[in-house]
Amino acid sequence: DIQMTQSPSSLSAYVGDRVTITCQTSQDITNYLNWFQHKPGTAPKLLIYHASNLETGVPSRFSGSGSGTHFTLTISGLQPEDTATYYCQHFDSLPYSFGQGTKLEIK
Amino acid sequence: QAHLVQSGAEVKKPGSSVRVSCKASGDTSSLYVISWVRQAPGQGLEWMGGILPQFAAANYSQKFQGRVIITADESTSTVYMQLRGLKSDDTAVYYCSSSAFDVWGQGTMVIVSS
Repeated sequence: DIQMTQSPSSLSAYVGDRVTITCQTSQDITNYLNWFQHKPGTAPKLLIYHASNLETGVPSRFSGSGSGTHFTLTISGLQPEDTATYYCQHFDSLPYSFGQGTKLEIK
Repeated sequence: QAHLVQSGAEVKKPGSSVRVSCKASGDTSSLYVISWVRQAPGQGLEWMGGILPQFAAANYSQKFQGRVIITADESTSTVYMQLRGLKSDDTAVYYCSSSAFDVWGQGTMVIVSS
């Protein structure tokens, strides 16, 4: 099974800041990686697919990069509504595992 | 656009089973494989397994192998997830999702308590 290591586990930043979340995989997954935003009481929301493709309707302040085993999610110009937990997930091979999550707080 | 609608909350006794349904509507051609993902209180997201309804072919996470059964009824566009031998740490919100993980059900709370 592919292991996912996501960091940091939590972070706090100000409105307008730029933040980066990283995800490392235990083996090469090319670009078979998704990023999700998850808010309490709602279903996870797909932000980025195939490592760097912005899902339709997602604000352009979200971006993803990386390939192989190292990936990043960047939010440029944080907004109050970005408070959430963010997860990476690979879909290279079964089982499709998730990272541990990064809880983002807006100061 | 496709939509996934799940069955309602359940309260179960330890050792019992629960079956959660996920009904697809709209443009279901994009759904392809349906996965089940859960989130226990204070925990992260966890992929449990998935099914390709057209072929009734299911795959499961090793963690749940032997306890979970995912089935599909193509005539009603409904996928079912049955979890057996429930334990208190199976208390969680259970979600179904499309193959691209771009469409999700609303989630079903399952509480396991004596």
